[in-house]
Amino acid sequence: QLQLQESGSGLVKPSQTLSLTCAVSGGSISSGGYSWSWIRQPPGKGLEWIGYIYHSGSTYYNPSLKSRVTISVDRSKNQFSLKLSSVTAADTAVYYCARVSSHQQLAFDYWGQGTLVTVSS
Amino acid sequence: DFQMTQSPSSLSASVGDRVTITCRASQGISNYLAWYQQKPGRVPKLLIYAASTLQSGVPSRFAGSGSGTEFTLTISGLQPEDVASYYCQKYNSAPYTFGGGTKVEIK
Repeated sequence: QLQLQESGSGLVKPSQTLSLTCAVSGGSISSGGYSWSWIRQPPGKGLEWIGYIYHSGSTYYNPSLKSRVTISVDRSKNQFSLKLSSVTAADTAVYYCARVSSHQQLAFDYWGQGTLVTVSS
Repeated sequence: DFQMTQSPSSLSASVGDRVTITCRASQGISNYLAWYQQKPGRVPKLLIYAASTLQSGVPSRFAGSGSGTEFTLTISGLQPEDVASYYCQKYNSAPYTFGGGTKVEIK
């Protein structure tokens, strides 16, 4: 059974960089047909897609965050990462990682449990 | 900006009722649409992809339809365990925008 687990700092100061990692277990991050994504959800609000990284290594980002976001993959560790720079209180949210499956026409079929990141001094 | 508009934003229905949620895309997306269920305090779960294909293990009372710009999620026979927020998402191309969500409650 595939599992995704987010980890990283739960508290980030304004103007600093948020860094999260998603560890994938029960399957290889390099398996064909899968890509990997980050999504966030501010407290009490809806879902916002942040971006994703194709199995080829190509990345696509939400235009509203593009100037501040970097998603990368470490295949040797079977994990992928998110960096969001120059954070403000508006970036406070639960951050989820998810698998993008070509077998489900690129829908997000597995999600991590989510990790709350608070931006505060 | 690409928009995915869901309606209603919330609804209250009785157990056994038929519930319909609508999602409208600001541009045509063929059938590249998914529906997710998020129960209170839980992780979103994929219900439907390709607008109408039920994800494995999802009860058959859930059904999706539509193509182009208009999509619907129907729950035929609402159950107490269906209390959740439901989100549509388009994924024909980036950005993979989510709708604003519909909160479903039991009357």
